[in-house]
Amino acid sequence: AQSVTQPDIHITVSEGASLELRCNYSYGATPYLFWYVQSPGQGLQLLLKYFSGDTLVQGIKGFEAEFKRSQSSFNLRKPSVHWSDAAEYFCAVTAGGTSYGKLTFGQGTILTVHP
Amino acid sequence: GAGVSQSPSNKVTEKGKDVELRCDPISGHTALYWYRQSLGQGLEFLIYFQGNSAPDKSGLPSDRFSAERTGGSVSTLTIQRTQQEDSAVYLCASSPYSNQPQHFGDGTRLSIL
Repeated sequence: AQSVTQPDIHITVSEGASLELRCNYSYGATPYLFWYVQSPGQGLQLLLKYFSGDTLVQGIKGFEAEFKRSQSSFNLRKPSVHWSDAAEYFCAVTAGGTSYGKLTFGQGTILTVHP
Repeated sequence: GAGVSQSPSNKVTEKGKDVELRCDPISGHTALYWYRQSLGQGLEFLIYFQGNSAPDKSGLPSDRFSAERTGGSVSTLTIQRTQQEDSAVYLCASSPYSNQPQHFGDGTRLSIL
């Protein structure tokens, strides 16, 4: 069964600092990978996705993520964090190909941004 | 355009009562998913619809939970004889076809007293 691990439950950074959120997945074949962000009381907003091709993917709000098959990782990065980035971030995986897209989520990482 | 709409946004009910949660997907989206978000379990898949059919109901926790979708559009998730452990945020998502990026609603926060 596929699984996703986000090792960091809570990360605190200063505004303007760089950010990296870790995500490791367990899945036999090439998965489809996603990062979602959730603000309090809101649903999940898609930041970026990886299906195939270029392993460095760009998303909204200045985020990017890199798929590393050898490390089974899909870490999310941002060069300079803004206070509005404070939220909870979820990494998710689904089987590729003809799968119907059932998402398996990591436990989430809460990001706090200090001014 | 309109996103995924869920109602009610909040629901408080007594243990043992039945509840219905509604999801209006984005127009034209054929795939619809329900997830549950709780403190102890995180985000869990409940059920997937393709059109009006539910090929995967494997995430429904018990036979107290059921869901339907009509007209390839609106879906309702029904919980019978609610228990306190049913307290959670229930999220609905839709996508144009299966295995495409999912668009989420803001969820229904269900509290069982």
